Amino acid sequence: DAGITQSPRHKVTETGTPVTLRCHQTENHRYMYWYRQDPGHGLRLIHYSYGVKDTDKGEVSDGYSVSRSKTEDFLLTLESATSSQTSVYFCAISVDTAYEQYFGPGTRLTVT
Amino acid sequence: AQSVTQPDIHITVSEGASLELRCNYSYGATPYLFWYVQSPGQGLQLLLKYFSGDTLVQGIKGFEAEFKRSQSSFNLRKPSVHWSDAAEYFCAVGAQQAGTALIFGKGTTLSVSS
Repeated sequence: DAGITQSPRHKVTETGTPVTLRCHQTENHRYMYWYRQDPGHGLRLIHYSYGVKDTDKGEVSDGYSVSRSKTEDFLLTLESATSSQTSVYFCAISVDTAYEQYFGPGTRLTVT
Repeated sequence: AQSVTQPDIHITVSEGASLELRCNYSYGATPYLFWYVQSPGQGLQLLLKYFSGDTLVQGIKGFEAEFKRSQSSFNLRKPSVHWSDAAEYFCAVGAQQAGTALIFGKGTTLSVSS
């Protein structure tokens, strides 16, 4: 258990509203990631972080922003949700001296 | 371009039969390779990983995978499948550098018939 929690676990929101998803880890790992999972696409990287206030874009970053003000929390924000952002969002961490990633339980987001 | 291909979208195997899930990758540098499993409604669990050394790696739940550099493949195998192995399986590749994001294949769904 890598001590990763995600909140909320499920959310339904309307098009055009802002949404923030939270990823929390208990073990102070440096690297954190946000992925989205869609049928037929596997997992695709949205943003990642390599330390407090250090973030970078991934493959599908348009329409998303992130923030990391504390080591343990990595927030993903949809500034104005669209139906194409309906997805399952996974947070992951990797430890400093290893390369595998450990995943949270996911957040299922539906944008109506 | 860096990519991971899992040629089989869906595979059905009889319980007790052997299993092989295919994974091919395209990566500029020497990769690190992973297999993850996802049960319905769950997150991803790491099954096994290959960094270097012995090209046959053992993982959890009786799974193993073989790295073949000449074929750019990292196929997952299990000698005898159990009904509880029904899930979606993802192959992933990453760089030999801490903090590098992984590139995932699109997944293979395994069904187990009795």
